[in-house]
Amino acid sequence: NAGVTQTPKFQVLKTGQSMTLQCAQDMNHEYMSWYRQDPGMGLRLIHYSVGAGITDQGEVPNGYNVSRSTTEDFPLRLLSAAPSQTSVYFCASRTGTANTGELFFGEGSRLTVL
Amino acid sequence: LAKTTQPISMDSYEGQEVNITCSHNNIATNDYITWYQQFPSQGPRFIIQGYKTKVTNEVASLFIPADRKSSTLSLPRVSLSDTAVYYCLVGPSGNTPLVFGKGTRLSVIA
Repeated sequence: NAGVTQTPKFQVLKTGQSMTLQCAQDMNHEYMSWYRQDPGMGLRLIHYSVGAGITDQGEVPNGYNVSRSTTEDFPLRLLSAAPSQTSVYFCASRTGTANTGELFFGEGSRLTVL
Repeated sequence: LAKTTQPISMDSYEGQEVNITCSHNNIATNDYITWYQQFPSQGPRFIIQGYKTKVTNEVASLFIPADRKSSTLSLPRVSLSDTAVYYCLVGPSGNTPLVFGKGTRLSVIA
């Protein structure tokens, strides 16, 4: 049981490049989400999904796209990277039906945009 | 989404009990209170969750008064390895997303 797996762990991009951060979970969780964490700051919610085919915006969605074609995968796309998107990105999942909300986090993807 | 307020930072010596209080005045009836711990370069991990009164596990205790407008995370006899950021979250009600604040940075000193 791998839990939540994020790839890549590290990535360097040039301004204007696009890329996709991958997130996969093997716990059959309905709910998945992406957060970003800037140095010394808390986590800010980018996008989330309550099930396959359903996505919604969080606190800071601009510059990012998501899709949820399967229960297992929730990729985060950066359309045109900007230095302001330099951050650590965390994917998290939980069961979507109960009020008990334990989130399971991946190890993070550290992105640097030059 | 219910907002939470907690101290930005706290210091403690090893072996002491640490209490971190979180305010959540607009908590909804169906909301639970959950605490997470985050070490540097890692994702947060679940510590404890409660709805009312007191919850205890092998790591911490969570005290919730009857009005549920605040909660206190209690860490008994902290060690250097408890140095981390602690987040208080309220929710989720149904599929409402969990929103993290800035958390409380706990520094344990030898």
